[in-house]
Amino acid sequence: GAVVSQHPSRVICKSGTSVKIECRSLDFQATTMFWYRQFPKQSLMLMATSNEGSKATYEQGVEKDKFLINHASLTLSTLTVTSAHPEDSSFYICSASQDLFDEQFFGPGTRLTVL
Amino acid sequence: AQSVTQLGSHVSVSEGALVLLRCNYSSSVPPYLFWYVQYPNQGLQLLLKYTSAATLVKGINGFEAEFKKSETSFHLTKPSAHMSDAAEYFCAVSGEEDGNTGKLIFGQGTTLQVKP
Repeated sequence: GAVVSQHPSRVICKSGTSVKIECRSLDFQATTMFWYRQFPKQSLMLMATSNEGSKATYEQGVEKDKFLINHASLTLSTLTVTSAHPEDSSFYICSASQDLFDEQFFGPGTRLTVL
Repeated sequence: AQSVTQLGSHVSVSEGALVLLRCNYSSSVPPYLFWYVQYPNQGLQLLLKYTSAATLVKGINGFEAEFKKSETSFHLTKPSAHMSDAAEYFCAVSGEEDGNTGKLIFGQGTTLQVKP
């Protein structure tokens, strides 16, 4: 089946620094990638949808200048948390699909801890 | 707007017993419905999906779900629980509504505990 990887799997950073998370589709071309955020014991909340070669579409309430998303190729999307603060600590999960309405394949997630 | 409600944030069953996880949805357009499983500190794995074909959908690991339009439900069942089924389960809906194309809207999740 389709495989999606995320790197790093966990990261700890100091407040004020920026962190980049990579999401890769390993065996298929992903025209669309989604970024989710999950707080402990809670559901996944969609942050943004990115299409290869175009700007990401952010959900209401998500700061696009804080959560920079780049989908530069059909196999890679990155999420950069800029000037991270402790409240940004969360589990970030990406998913990828070959087309907008196709099945989404999820990455294993990245645990971000901001001290 | 589309939404999903999972009744019961925590369900506990004995090994070998029937598993029933409830999901109700709201959608003004024909929905696509999904069940995902998540193990601790991992991403989501698709169990099964409904995409307007057969109303009874069979998935992996012995799970199945039935789409009932009259009840706006998509409950997940498994005849006999196994210890390895203990995990978090998410119901999700998708569909073209208000330009909401391709996005998954997740329910709150249900933690399944399986007792020996």
